[in-house]
Amino acid sequence: GDSVTQMEGPVTLSEEAFLTINCTYTATGYPSLFWYVQYPGEGLQLLLKATKADDKGSNKGFEATYRKETTSFHLEKGSVQVSDSAVYFCALSDRESGNTPLVFGKGTRLSVIA
Amino acid sequence: DAGVIQSPRHEVTEMGQEVTLRCKPISGHDYLFWYRQTMMRGLELLIYFNNNVPIDDSGMPEDRFSAKMPNASFSTLKIQPSEPRDSAVYFCASSPGTSGEDTQYFGPGTRLTVL
Repeated sequence: GDSVTQMEGPVTLSEEAFLTINCTYTATGYPSLFWYVQYPGEGLQLLLKATKADDKGSNKGFEATYRKETTSFHLEKGSVQVSDSAVYFCALSDRESGNTPLVFGKGTRLSVIA
Repeated sequence: DAGVIQSPRHEVTEMGQEVTLRCKPISGHDYLFWYRQTMMRGLELLIYFNNNVPIDDSGMPEDRFSAKMPNASFSTLKIQPSEPRDSAVYFCASSPGTSGEDTQYFGPGTRLTVL
C-alpha cells in the first residue's frame, strides 16, 4: 500500500539556520503531496501542497518540490525562526482512488533555539 | 469560516465509562475523517465518511469504538467501555471532496485520558 517515510527527529537548529526535512513516498497512483505542521497543543495545519510532478509548494518561507523521479517531497526553509518549532508531517493522498484519507509519515519534531 | 470544531477539548474519564467525542466539519465539505494520535503509533485513521455514509472503518480498533454521522454538520465518535490504552488525541478533519481538491482541514483535537 501507499506509504510515507520522513526523517526521524528530533531536529535542533539555531535561529537562521537552513532546514531540510526529507520525505519520500511509495504510491501506486499519482498522489497529491502535503506538508502539515502541528504546533504544541494544536491540531494539524496545512503548510503547503503540490499536486503534480515538478510543482513547488510554498508558504511562510517553506518550500517543497514534487519530484516524481525520486519519489520525494523534501521540506526546506532558508532561515528558520524560533516560532517554527513544531512537528512537521509529510503526507500523501491518492487522488486516483477518489478523495481518500491522508497517509502520514511519523512526523519530525523541529526545535529552533535562539 | 470557523473551521472544524471539536468538543470537548479535554476529557478525563475512568476506565469502563462511555466517552463521546463530537465534531462539526466545515460547511459544504463532503468528507469527514477521524484520526487518533499517540506517541507510539503516530497518526492513525480510524474511520471516514462521504456524504454522511461510512466508507472505511477498518481502522477502528475494536467493537468498543463506534462512529456516526447523522447529518452533514455533525459526527460523533463513541468509546464504550473506555480503557486506559484509548488515551490519545483524537482529531476530526474534513475535506471538500470536489475533484482535485483533496486538502484535509483538521480540528484542534480532543485529548482523552482514561484512568
